[in-house]
Amino acid sequence: DAGVIQSPRHEVTEMGQEVTLRCKPISGHNSLFWYRQTMMRGLELLIYFNNNVPIDDSGMPEDRFSAKMPNASFSTLKIQPSEPRDSAVYFCASSPHRAGELFFGEGSRLTVL
Amino acid sequence: SQQGEEDPQALSIQEGENATMNCSYKTSINNLQWYRQNSGRGLVHLILIRSNEREKHSGRLRVTLDTSKKSSSLLITASRAADTASYFCAVANAGGTSYGKLTFGQGTILTVHP
Repeated sequence: DAGVIQSPRHEVTEMGQEVTLRCKPISGHNSLFWYRQTMMRGLELLIYFNNNVPIDDSGMPEDRFSAKMPNASFSTLKIQPSEPRDSAVYFCASSPHRAGELFFGEGSRLTVL
Repeated sequence: SQQGEEDPQALSIQEGENATMNCSYKTSINNLQWYRQNSGRGLVHLILIRSNEREKHSGRLRVTLDTSKKSSSLLITASRAADTASYFCAVANAGGTSYGKLTFGQGTILTVHP
């Protein structure tokens, strides 16, 4: 079985550009999480979905960030416009049920110049 | 802010020694989980302990949970160089609208010298 698939693995962009990160969770999992990891702030929970519905988005930094889950097999995290301080590794993780173990993707490393 | 707080931040030991990492948290939890992250990779789930459990084992891993002290520890016995990684605890919220919300600590960097 394929694990959680994230794309792109690496993205370098310039300040002000739109960035879209994509995630395909494990089939049958009904919870999906987006995290951001930096040296300074560690692993921050941005948003999580259950059955495609956003449950808690209190970690989304500001209006420049948005996340969607149009169906059970796909989610996006969008940053518009991007800023240098958004540079981080963004992880997507899915779980077979709420409060269950998480299966992480390999992450998308974003660099905003 | 992160709910789980871990110590030590870094731990350096020799192969064959045991490694103990601690995690403290602030609110009611459904469960507490430990993860491992190798450099440049995603996190990998190690073990989950529920709020009504006190101890759990998996291979060379032993996890304890003390809900009265809101703390947990992860013990890795007979460590190997391949155990070198960052280890994170994560707490799952107990209830309410944020049931299942999983927040991570800052992690412990473990280095095992051959």
